[in-house]
Amino acid sequence: ETGVTQSPTHLIKTRGQQVTLRCSSQSGHNTVSWYQQALGQGPQFIFQYYREEENGRGNFPPRFSGLQFPNYSSELNVNALELDDSALYLCASSSHLRSGGAFEQFFGPGTRLTVL
Amino acid sequence: AQKITQTQPGMFVQEKEAVTLDCTYDTSDQSYGLFWYKQPSSGEMIFLIYQGSYDEQNATEGRYSLNFQKARKSANLVISASQLGDSAMYFCAMNELVFGKGTKLTVNP
Repeated sequence: ETGVTQSPTHLIKTRGQQVTLRCSSQSGHNTVSWYQQALGQGPQFIFQYYREEENGRGNFPPRFSGLQFPNYSSELNVNALELDDSALYLCASSSHLRSGGAFEQFFGPGTRLTVL
Repeated sequence: AQKITQTQPGMFVQEKEAVTLDCTYDTSDQSYGLFWYKQPSSGEMIFLIYQGSYDEQNATEGRYSLNFQKARKSANLVISASQLGDSAMYFCAMNELVFGKGTKLTVNP
C-alpha cells in the first residue's frame, strides 16, 4: 500500500509569484485535505476535496485554490504569494467514515515553502 | 465554533515513565472525533489514536491511551513507558478541521 506523497519537498519563491503543490493520496482514499502549518504552530485547515469537489474550506483567501483529479490526487495553488505564506503545507488523505462523522487521516511528509 | 486547547507548551519525562499530555476542546456538536498526532522533527504527522464522541470506552493503541472525559470536554493522551523516540511535538485535533498548538515532549535518558 503506497502512502501519501507530496512534491516538491522544498520550494523557494518570491512575493507575488504563484506556486502549485502536489499530493498523491493513499491507495483507496477519495478525500484529500490541505493544511498550512506555520513555524511553531498547529496545522490550519485550508480546504478539503471529496471525489473531485470542494467539501469544506477554512479561513483562507480565494488566492488559495485547489483541485482534485479523477485518481484522487490533488493540487494546492497559491497566487500572489505573500511573506506570511511561508510555511509547511501538509496534505492528508482519508479512507473511511468512522462513527461520529470523523475521518482517520494519513498525512504526507509536507512541502516547505519559503517566500522571500 | 470548534476549538482545541493544549496548555502545555513543553513537557519533560524520564525514559520508561508515563506522561500525560492535556487537551481540552469546545464544540456544540454532538457527534465529533478527537485525534492525537505525533510530529517528529522531520515534519510528518503520524496518527496515534482516535476517540469518537459516542465511544463509551477510552481508546487504547499499544502504549497510547486516551483519557476521555466528555463532561469536562477533555481528551488527554497518556503515553506509558516513554521511549527516547517519543520525543516530538504532539497535537490534539477535532475531526479534520481544528488542531491545537501542540505540546513538545522531551524524553530524557
